[in-house]
Amino acid sequence: DGGITQSPKYLFRKEGQNVTLSCEQNLNHDAMYWYRQDPGQGLRLIYYSQIVNDFQKGDIAEGYSVSREKKESFPLTVTSAQKNPTAFYLCASTYTRDGVGYGYTFGSGTRLTVV
Amino acid sequence: ELKVEQNPLFLSMQEGKNYTIYCNYSTTSDRLYWYRQDPGKSLESLFVLLSNGAVKQEGRLMASLDTKARLSTLHITAAVHDLSATYFCAVGSGSEKLVFGKGTKLTVNP
Repeated sequence: DGGITQSPKYLFRKEGQNVTLSCEQNLNHDAMYWYRQDPGQGLRLIYYSQIVNDFQKGDIAEGYSVSREKKESFPLTVTSAQKNPTAFYLCASTYTRDGVGYGYTFGSGTRLTVV
Repeated sequence: ELKVEQNPLFLSMQEGKNYTIYCNYSTTSDRLYWYRQDPGKSLESLFVLLSNGAVKQEGRLMASLDTKARLSTLHITAAVHDLSATYFCAVGSGSEKLVFGKGTKLTVNP
């Protein structure tokens, strides 16, 4: 079955440590996204990528980095520069037509906690 | 900058009652999405609305879109406990991004 797989489901980060969240899709979608969810805040866009080897900053990119070396994969690194990383992270992908995304699918999420 | 506002943010209703959740957005868009989220879970797609006047229904939920008023509604008919969840609307921004509302936490009481 096609879908998006995020791992790990739970992740604990120590102060000053970089951690990487995995996101893999087998839907043949062009565009992929990372969102952060905090209680009562809805979802906020961190980074997105429409094609391989290209990505753009979203609204809250500071302290995060991404790569898009393969169409199927869009990992997110939470760096030590992100001062408040505790949140629920959601990866999404969509097919595009004329550059417009229509069918967004979300992964199951990674819950990151700073210890 | 596109802004999306949902109201109410919290909704407590009795089983069997009807209610409407509203989603207003600030700039022109031709794509609006409704999602459901259960506690600790990811987002489940409910409706995709792509044109003015679009209306979609699934079970006890019906969504509509008025692009001229920049308003979408999610109407709940004869609520049941299983509908308890948080509902998000999201609006397409430019050619690729979604901007989300803060969500409406719905609790259906027996």
